[in-house]
Amino acid sequence: AQTVTQSQPEMSVQEAETVTLSCTYDTSESDYYLFWYKQPPSRQMILVIRQEAYKQQNATENRFSVNFQKAAKSFSLKISDSQLGDAAMYFCAYRSAQGGSEKLVFGKGTKLTVNP
Amino acid sequence: DSGVTQTPKHLITATGQRVTLRCSPRSGDLSVYWYQQSLDQGLQFLIQYYNGEERAKGNILERFSAQQFPDLHSELNLSSLELGDSALYFCASSAGQAVGEAFFGQGTRLTVV
Repeated sequence: AQTVTQSQPEMSVQEAETVTLSCTYDTSESDYYLFWYKQPPSRQMILVIRQEAYKQQNATENRFSVNFQKAAKSFSLKISDSQLGDAAMYFCAYRSAQGGSEKLVFGKGTKLTVNP
Repeated sequence: DSGVTQTPKHLITATGQRVTLRCSPRSGDLSVYWYQQSLDQGLQFLIQYYNGEERAKGNILERFSAQQFPDLHSELNLSSLELGDSALYFCASSAGQAVGEAFFGQGTRLTVV
């Protein structure tokens, strides 16, 4: 079974600074997808960024980028120019690319605080 | 707005009771997923339906059941409720294809007293 580990329960960053959230995963599969979801106080789960394992290029979405290290099974999220609205719980998630189910396996989450 | 609608947003009920949570997926999405989020267990996958059929089952208790109707909306039934069932229950939907992304509803906060 796949597992996802987020080793930082809490992180903080100053507004306009850069922060990196860590995620490692364990799988025996070669093809899969990785995601970062954001959960603000409103509880809504919002997709931030996705990465296909077969792609070597790291995904980028505006101020959000990932560092995907397939051999190390590492998938970190970098938030640049942090804004107050980035404060939220961030969840790393894994999904198999094999047939049968598209369920997500989540890490425990990292609570990000943005200080003004 | 993700396009996934969950009702009700909040639910308070007593132990031993039965409740039904409802989910309307995004237009065109064939897959519906149910997840439970609790402080001790985190986000756990419960069950997935695809076009009316059960596709995958996760850590779902026998007291819980779900179904997906012909119009693709889904219901999660929780019975013989215990205090430990208090959690946030999310529904998500996707196109159901391997590359489809999952979009989440706002969740139903269930409190069992």
